[in-house]
Amino acid sequence: QKEVEQNSGPLSVPEGAIASLNCTYSDRGSQSFFWYRQYSGKSPELIMFIYSNGDKEDGRFTAQLNKASQYVSLLIRDSQPSDSATYLCAVNIFSGGYNKLIFGAGTRLAVHP
Amino acid sequence: DTAVSQTPKYLVTQMGNDKSIKCEQNLGHDTMYWYKQDSKKFLKIMFSYNNKELIINETVPNRFSPKSPDKAHLNLHINSLELGDSAVYFCASSQEIPVGMQETQYFGPGTRLLVL
Repeated sequence: QKEVEQNSGPLSVPEGAIASLNCTYSDRGSQSFFWYRQYSGKSPELIMFIYSNGDKEDGRFTAQLNKASQYVSLLIRDSQPSDSATYLCAVNIFSGGYNKLIFGAGTRLAVHP
Repeated sequence: DTAVSQTPKYLVTQMGNDKSIKCEQNLGHDTMYWYKQDSKKFLKIMFSYNNKELIINETVPNRFSPKSPDKAHLNLHINSLELGDSAVYFCASSQEIPVGMQETQYFGPGTRLLVL
């Protein structure tokens, strides 16, 4: 079983719609969860992080965490063509005395006008 | 005024050669990382240093040798390059990590390595 799983997509949504990106993880001990955006040929950049169950909103972005079900999601409201990118879910795993971030394979989002 | 910088940005070389990639961060972070992103865009950690001490060493061929001269710099030396080493290598940094948690990691622009 992969440690962090995402649907690779592409997820295609019309401009102005809500894009919903989902991620599941296997380590119940994980406490830190991150969403990164990566444009083609660029480096990952942080969108949001979430540590507690529930919702966390930042502008058009909402991260949702459900530790019991081991999933984390990212909602993008009023999607824009500039949101078209690959979204990487990252989860911390504490193993062998140290933390490390495990990334999912990413979901490619395409927002069409 | 780049936060995490890497050199070179592109690296094209022949199989069997030895090459190095350099990384520098000016964020005052204590922890630095090397990641490899393959052609399928899967981002996987290779190494991590905390205050110049190696703390993460994933299952990476020993042809890869990281070195941290100080906490603002982390270099990656690769010996006897192979075709499968072709990938994008990202450096990242973060604040010191509380046990069980993970601070936000900030990524450099990446080094695109092509082995011919």
